[in-house]
Amino acid sequence: KQEVTQIPAALSVPEGENLVLNCSFTDSAIYNLQWFRQDPGKGLTSLLLIQSSQREQTSGRLNASLDKSSGRSTLYIAASQPGDSATYLCAVSDNNDMRFGAGTRLTVKP
Amino acid sequence: GAVVSQHPSRVICKSGTSVKIECRSLDFQATTMFWYRQFPKQSLMLMATSNEGSKATYEQGVEKDKFLINHASLTLSTLTVTSAHPEDSSFYICSATGQGKSLDEQFFGPGTRLTVL
Repeated sequence: KQEVTQIPAALSVPEGENLVLNCSFTDSAIYNLQWFRQDPGKGLTSLLLIQSSQREQTSGRLNASLDKSSGRSTLYIAASQPGDSATYLCAVSDNNDMRFGAGTRLTVKP
Repeated sequence: GAVVSQHPSRVICKSGTSVKIECRSLDFQATTMFWYRQFPKQSLMLMATSNEGSKATYEQGVEKDKFLINHASLTLSTLTVTSAHPEDSSFYICSATGQGKSLDEQFFGPGTRLTVL
């Protein structure tokens, strides 16, 4: 059974810092991996989708990498801003279901 | 923790039929439930937000008359795909948050894979 872990559970940084969020999974036979942003009380917003054949994806200040063999993904946020404050979730999919990590709660202080 | 269930986990139906998917919060009262879908090789996308006792709020591009959402109780929300067609084949997943839970927390169901023939 796939298990997804996110570290750290919470992170607080000053504005402007670059930061890395980590996601690990136990079964490397995945279809894809996604990173999401969750604002309090709102639905998830998809940030980046990495197919199993890909190593990384980039969107603006965000870069996500995938290392299937080691069961790891990282989300890199450059030049963080207070508006980046949210909970970040990763999720892995195989052909049957999707498993979510518990999330990392990010606070970017002005 | 909190548990959210979905039923059925898989469904295969003929084109033109309607399919109902249930999402239940088993050990907490879900004041808000979210419905998502994921097409093959695409991102999971939010379809609608459902608050108990009120009409669902649909995301742009999601047909409210085709995807009927009912959230009549604090533990159950249903998504009905009406007159399903092959292009509706997708993975549908719900999540819930609610009483006693942080607004930062969403609890996800296991998903329902719909195949329309």
